[in-house]
Formats: sequence, structure tokens, C-alpha cells
Amino acid sequence: SAVISQKPSRDICQRGTSLTIQCQVDSQVTMMFWYRQQPGQSLTLIATANQGSEATYESGFVIDKFPISRPNLTFSTLTVSNMSPEDSSIYLCSVGRVLDPQRTQYFGPGTRLLVL
Amino acid sequence: TQLLEQSPQFLSIQEGENLTVYCNSSSVFSSLQWYRQEPGEGPVLLVTVVTGGEVKKLKRLTFQFGDARKDSSLHITAAQPGDTGLYLCAGALIQGAQKLVFGQGTRLTINP
Repeated sequence: SAVISQKPSRDICQRGTSLTIQCQVDSQVTMMFWYRQQPGQSLTLIATANQGSEATYESGFVIDKFPISRPNLTFSTLTVSNMSPEDSSIYLCSVGRVLDPQRTQYFGPGTRLLVL
Repeated sequence: TQLLEQSPQFLSIQEGENLTVYCNSSSVFSSLQWYRQEPGEGPVLLVTVVTGGEVKKLKRLTFQFGDARKDSSLHITAAQPGDTGLYLCAGALIQGAQKLVFGQGTRLTINP
């Protein structure tokens, strides 16, 4: 397993502003992912954060709205840009190892975002 | 279309009762994970199953992977209030790179 931290743990933001969420893991991992969890819902994958290259986005998510950085194997950021109330969600990062045949992922505690 | 159908989505039972949560798909998975998420926290891994027909036990929780690796179940015996939470199944598709596909989740409430 891995110990994953996220900052901030929660925030309240005004519409039209942007928020950058940080994800830090205590060991080098090959795979990092960003998910969104809307109130009362399951997890939806936003993108896979690739070290040293552009993130791989899922259908319905675009780089202009959710720019992602991953400068090294232990750190990634997700920015939620030009926020609207519909962006109010929990944002979760997870990690995994490409050599793990079980493809298990471990999750951070999440960032709870409320957009007014 | 939901690739991994999880049921029931809501379940409220009395302490001491048994329950089963199901995850079903028409797709084959190389592995399937079960997570539990409590309010204010991220999902915590309970178990990973990888072999068709596999059964794993975690105290009062029994996890089963279908023979064809298309479905899984979670059975809780003598449920306790501490079992309350959101249970999520997530499958790794054979051809799905490193991504996981999540079910809709089961929100379980155990009443004292």
C-alpha cells in the first residue's frame, strides 16, 4: 500500500475562480489517477496523470477545464478551472503500480470542494 | 450504459442481519476490487479478487469472484453499525490498461 495525502482537504470557492489540488504519495509509484465523486455518487475517472507528459483524459473531461501536472513519481496536481456550482464534488487522487497484475489502486482522503 | 452494475444501491437493515451486495457485468475482468468509503474519507481497499471462483474472507465479510470473472458478491454476516458506509466494487478490464471501472456503489446503513 501507500500513504497518500491531499491538499487542501476542503475548500469553498467562488464561481469563476480556479483551485489547484495537490496529491503527494510517500513512495515512487508509476500510476496516478484523478477522480471526481459527486454528492451521493460513485467515482468517475477524470484522467490518468502521466509523469513528464500530458495527462490522458477520459471522455467528457478536457485539459482546459482540468489541467493536470505530474512533475515526478510522487506528486501531482489537478486544477479545477473557471469553477461553477456544478463542480462541487469530492476530488480524489489514487495511485497504483504498472507492474501490479491485480491493478489495485489506493486512494487519498479526498478534497471536498464547494463552489458558490 | 453502466459497465459494472452494482446492487442494491441503498440498503438499510438491523444489526445482526445478513446481507449481500452484487456487482455484475457482461465484460470479463482481470481483477476486481472492493472498497469501503466512510463520510469524509477516501475509499479504503477491502480485498482484491483475481481468480475465477475465488472466495476471500475478511472477518464477517465474504467476497466471491464469479467463475467467468464477470461478477462478484460481498456477503456480510451479522452486520454491525460499524459496517455502515459506501461499498464500491471496481473492476480492471482485460483490455483496459491500468484503469478501473467502478460500480454505482451501495450505501449501507446498519441500525442498532
